[in-house]
Amino acid sequence: AQSVTQLGSHVSVSEGALVLLRCNYSSSVPPYLFWYVQYPNQGLQLLLKYTTGATLVKGINGFEAEFKKSETSFHLTKPSAHMSDAAEYFCAVTYDNTDKLIFGTGTRLQVFP
Amino acid sequence: EAGVTQSPTHLIKTRGQQATLRCSPISGHTSVYWYQQALGLGLQFLLWYDEGEERNRGNFPPRFSGRQFPNYSSELNVNALELEDSALYLCASSSGYEQYFGPGTRLTVT
Repeated sequence: AQSVTQLGSHVSVSEGALVLLRCNYSSSVPPYLFWYVQYPNQGLQLLLKYTTGATLVKGINGFEAEFKKSETSFHLTKPSAHMSDAAEYFCAVTYDNTDKLIFGTGTRLQVFP
Repeated sequence: EAGVTQSPTHLIKTRGQQATLRCSPISGHTSVYWYQQALGLGLQFLLWYDEGEERNRGNFPPRFSGRQFPNYSSELNVNALELEDSALYLCASSSGYEQYFGPGTRLTVT
C-alpha cells in the first residue's frame, strides 16, 4: 500500500536555526509530492509541491524541499527558523494528479527564542 | 480570489443524530475532496466528487455520504453519529493536482 512516513512527530529548533522535517514515501511509480502547513484551528496551506522537472522546489515563507528518487524522500528545509514557523507540517503524496492525497502523520515544529 | 469556504465552523451533535457539513470550492474548480482529521488518526481521505459524481471513497462506513451540486459546492452527511466521529472535517477543491483546503468544520459528538 502507498504510504508516507514523517520521521519525528515533534521537532524543536531555536530561532535562526536550520529547520529539517523528514518525509519518505513508498512507491513504485513516480509520485506527486506536497508539503502543507497547519496553524492551530485552521485548515491546511500548501507550502510547496513537486510534480515533474527540477527536483529542488521552492515554496512560500522561505521553505524548500528536494525530491530524491533514490532515497524516496522529500525532506522540507528552511535555513533560518522564525517564531512564526511554529505549526504542524504534513507531507502528502498522490500518484494520480486528480486523486486523493495520502498524508503523513505530521510533524509539530516548535521554535524557541 | 476567494478560497474554499466551509460551514458551519463548529457543530455539536449528540450520538445518533445526523450532521450536514457544507463546502464551497474555489471558483472554477470542479473537484471537491473531503478529509477527516481525528485526534490520533491523522488526515484520512473520505470522499472525492468531480462534475457531480462520486469518483472515489475512502475506508469509511456508508453512513458517511455526500453529494456535489451543479455549482460544484458539496455537502457531507454523517448519519447515526458516533462519538468517534468527533473530528475536524476538511474540504479541499482542485482543478488539477493541487488541492486547496478550507478552514474546516469542527464536529463534536456528545
